[in-house]
Order: sequence, then C-alpha cells, then structure tokens
Amino acid sequence: EAQVTQNPRYLITVTGKKLTVTCSQNMNHEYMSWYRQDPGLGLRQIYYSMNVEVTDKGDVPEGYKVSRKEKRNFPLILESPSPNQTSLYFCASSFGQGAGDTQYFGPGTRLTVL
Amino acid sequence: QQQVKQSPQSLIVQKGGISIINCAYENTAFDYFPWYQQFPGKGPALLIAIRPDVSEKKEGRFTISFNKSAKQFSLHIMDSQPGDSATYFCAAPLPNTDKLIFGTGTRLQVFP
Repeated sequence: EAQVTQNPRYLITVTGKKLTVTCSQNMNHEYMSWYRQDPGLGLRQIYYSMNVEVTDKGDVPEGYKVSRKEKRNFPLILESPSPNQTSLYFCASSFGQGAGDTQYFGPGTRLTVL
Repeated sequence: QQQVKQSPQSLIVQKGGISIINCAYENTAFDYFPWYQQFPGKGPALLIAIRPDVSEKKEGRFTISFNKSAKQFSLHIMDSQPGDSATYFCAAPLPNTDKLIFGTGTRLQVFP
C-alpha cells in the first residue's frame, strides 16, 4: 500500500531532550516536507527536500533540523525541544513537481514538550 | 504576512445546504490552487485542485471557482452531508521556490 508513515504517533518529552521523528514513504517520491499544525495558524512548512542531500527551509525552520540521506526517509530532529514546539506534525511527499503536485500526508505526530 | 487568507474559520451548515469557503491571495504569480480535506485524527488529503487557466472545476459535489481579477478562489460543497464534516485548507505553491503555503483552515460541521 502506498503510504507515508511517521513514528512515533504520540510523544511527550521534556525541555532540552533531543528527539527525532521519523518519516518514510514507499512511493519513490522526490519531494518531501515537514509541517506543523497549530490552532488558528493552519499548516506551516518547516523544511522541505527536493531530492537526496537537498534540503531547504520553509516558513518556520527555527529549532528544527532535517536530513535526506535516502530518498524514502526524511527525519525531523529537535536538538533541544522547547514548549513552543508542542504541536501536531505532519510529513508529506509528492512526485515530480514538488510543491506544485499532490501532497501525500502521513498520519501525524502529536508532540508535547513539558 | 499571510500569503493565502482563508475564511471563515468555522462554518456550520445544515444537511443538504451549500458550504462555501473562500481564499484570497496577493501574489499574482501563483499558478496552482489545491484544496485539502482533513478528518479528525488524520492527515490532510487532496480534495480538488485548479490552475488559473480555467475559472471553474467541478468534481462531484465539490466545485472550485477561481476569480483571477479578484485574486480569490472558493470551494463550494453542494448538498453538504454530515460526512463532509472536516477541516478544509486552501494552498498555493510559492512561485520560484518549492515552498507550499497553506491557508489557516476552515472547520466545517454539517448537521443532519
């Protein structure tokens, strides 16, 4: 089944404790991105990647890191999480035209930073 | 600065009614306007999309109306059903980048 998977689905952590949220897609998509969803603010893009070893900042990249060592994986890293990073996170991927193509979203990761 | 402004924030419609959600944009170089539907506990999924060379696109009960001169595009849901209750997002890719800009979302509730 074609899908985008994220792990973990739920995470509660404390300020400053490094964490990684994994994202994997099995559709051979070139474009992958991370979003955070907050009430009243909609979906905001954190980072995106057009291909392996190519990443770029979205609108809210501060406090996040990403890497794209393999085409299928695009982990989101929070080196020192803070409470303002409490949010619902989505990974997405698309083929071909990147942002101008259908985005396939994962199921989401709800992160709480205490 | 909000590059894609979406309204209303929430919408309550009776079953069988018409739901209308609006988005406005400033950048005239936007060239692709998708709408995403998100059910509670799920990730968004593409519902319908339009490019600015047409003024309307219809798929079943869902229609996008596009007004290039007014820089607005709207989602119309005809004969709204309780199963349409979800959050709807408009979006547009930022020209000359690979960034995707989303509206702030509209929570639609359709009551029987």
